[in-house]
Amino acid sequence: EAGVAQSPRYKIIEKRQSVAFWCNPISGHATLYWYQQILGQGPKLLIQFQNNGVVDDSQLPKDRFSAERLKGVDSTLKIQPAKLEDSAVYLCASSLEGRGETQYFGPGTRLLVL
Amino acid sequence: RKEVEQDPGPFNVPEGATVAFNCTYSNSASQSFFWYRQDCRKEPKLLMSVYSSGNEDGRFTAQLNRASQYISLLIRDSKLSDSATYLCVAWDAGTYKYIFGTGTRLKVLA
Repeated sequence: EAGVAQSPRYKIIEKRQSVAFWCNPISGHATLYWYQQILGQGPKLLIQFQNNGVVDDSQLPKDRFSAERLKGVDSTLKIQPAKLEDSAVYLCASSLEGRGETQYFGPGTRLLVL
Repeated sequence: RKEVEQDPGPFNVPEGATVAFNCTYSNSASQSFFWYRQDCRKEPKLLMSVYSSGNEDGRFTAQLNRASQYISLLIRDSKLSDSATYLCVAWDAGTYKYIFGTGTRLKVLA
């Protein structure tokens, strides 16, 4: 079974530029999550989708971050404009229903903002 | 108080040793619990899920104490390859959120 796919794996941009990340969850998984992980910390949830609807985006900095999952399958996360403090690993995860079952993580996108 | 708390470590143990980590959670609505292993510069990978009192898989044992609101992970006969960060995760049935701890770093020494 294919796992969660993410691209790109690495991205270096300058502050105030924009960047987009892509995620394709495990086939059949209704729930998709975007996390931000800063070095030495646990993953922090940015947004959670159930099919193509947003379940939780309370920690998404909406003035600069946006995300969509238009057809309920793959998803994109965008940052515009980027700040230095956005340097982190962005992890995408999926689970079958979002009801306490196992989450599976993609390899992540490592973002460096200069 | 953090919702899920872990001792960040590092725990430095010799090969073959037994090591235990504790993780406390504050929300009694938490129903499912997970231990993930995260290697440096890699994504978290599921080590063990805990839905009732505990779970065992080879050298790894997880125990859940709902009365005291903690989950433990015991690693027996530590291997060099066990060196990693171990993330504790609680699923909150009230909010449908997975809450992550900051992780406990383990280093197994030759």
